[in-house]
Amino acid sequence: TQLLEQSPQFLSIQEGENLTVYCNSSSVFSSLQWYRQEPGEGPVLLVTVVTGGEVKKLKRLTFQFGDARKDSSLHITAAQPGDTGLYLCAGAGRGNMLTFGGGTRLMVKP
Amino acid sequence: NAGVTQTPKFQVLKTGQSMTLQCAQDMNHNSMYWYRQDPGMGLRLIYYSASEGTTDKGEVPNGYNVSRLNKREFSLRLESAAPSQTSVYFCASSETGPYNEQFFGPGTRLTVL
Repeated sequence: TQLLEQSPQFLSIQEGENLTVYCNSSSVFSSLQWYRQEPGEGPVLLVTVVTGGEVKKLKRLTFQFGDARKDSSLHITAAQPGDTGLYLCAGAGRGNMLTFGGGTRLMVKP
Repeated sequence: NAGVTQTPKFQVLKTGQSMTLQCAQDMNHNSMYWYRQDPGMGLRLIYYSASEGTTDKGEVPNGYNVSRLNKREFSLRLESAAPSQTSVYFCASSETGPYNEQFFGPGTRLTVL
């Protein structure tokens, strides 16, 4: 069974602070996706990283895929209240099925 | 385009009752999925359908059945609901492609008493 562990589970910060969320596994994934989920809604895809060492930027969000394709990180610069939500990483493994991490719940206070 | 739609949005059942959760997508995707989401456990795959006419078990299939009615619709049935099936259920769809990027519905919040 492929497992993805996310840390931290909860994060509460002030507007303007920076933060990093981690997604770790002992398994290799062919690609890794990050989703954001708001209360009462389904997850929405933010980004897919494919190549080991790849870095993708989405405005104030920076996503990195580990060199060995076993881990990933999400860094948010100058967080805003609109960034509040549940962040989920998901790795594509056997049969291209996704394995989801447990999620990081982020609250950004104004 | 509505994307992925799910009905109902909320449901309360008594132990032993049955119900069917409906899902439809209008993106012409081949693959569809059913997940459950429990606190701190992310999303766990119940069943999936890689194409019309095929279904396969995921990580947690016990107590559930599915039907891929046509390319658009994928339903999830609980034959005899149990309190352990209290959860939020999400349907998703994806194109056939290398990364399996998924589009999710808004979810069904199910409580089994």
